[in-house]
Amino acid sequence: EAGVAQSPRYKIIEKRQSVAFWCNPISGHATLYWYQQILGQGPKLLIQFQNNGVVDDSQLPKDRFSAERLKGVDSTLKIQPAKLEDSAVYLCASSFQGAGGETQYFGPGTRLLVL
Amino acid sequence: QKEVEQDPGPLSVPEGAIVSLNCTYSNSAFQYFMWYRQYSRKGPELLMYTYSSGNKEDGRFTAQVDKSSKYISLFIRDSQPSDSATYLCAMIGAGGTSYGKLTFGQGTILTVHP
Repeated sequence: EAGVAQSPRYKIIEKRQSVAFWCNPISGHATLYWYQQILGQGPKLLIQFQNNGVVDDSQLPKDRFSAERLKGVDSTLKIQPAKLEDSAVYLCASSFQGAGGETQYFGPGTRLLVL
Repeated sequence: QKEVEQDPGPLSVPEGAIVSLNCTYSNSAFQYFMWYRQYSRKGPELLMYTYSSGNKEDGRFTAQVDKSSKYISLFIRDSQPSDSATYLCAMIGAGGTSYGKLTFGQGTILTVHP
């Protein structure tokens, strides 16, 4: 079974530029998550999708971050404009249904450096 | 106060040692407890999963949960250099705002040297 795929793996941009990350979840997984992991910290949930609908985006900085999951499969996370503090690893995860105790499977992440 | 507290280490042990990793939490709604292992430049991978107080063993790994004290532990026996990674505790709530949402600890960096 293929895992969660993410691209690009690395990205370096200057502040105020825009950037987009792509995620392809495990086949058949209805729930998709985007996490932000700052160096030395645990991952923090940014947004959760159930199929193509948003379940939780309470910690997404909506003035600069946006995400979509068209057709309920792949997802894109965008930052515009980027700030220095957005330097982090952006992890995508998926789970079968998003039920309470369900296991989430993570992709390798996209490492973003904002200069 | 963070909902999940984890000592970031770093922790350095010799090969063959017993390693103890710990987390405390404050949210009583947390009912599912996990340990993830994260190698450098990789995503977290699930190592252990439990939802009841007590011990759960899987090979060299034992997860321990004490809900009354809001304390969880991961023990690694006969540690190997390949165990060198960051270990993240994570929890999910059974209801309320934490339902279905993974809350992670800070992660403990472990190095096992030959």
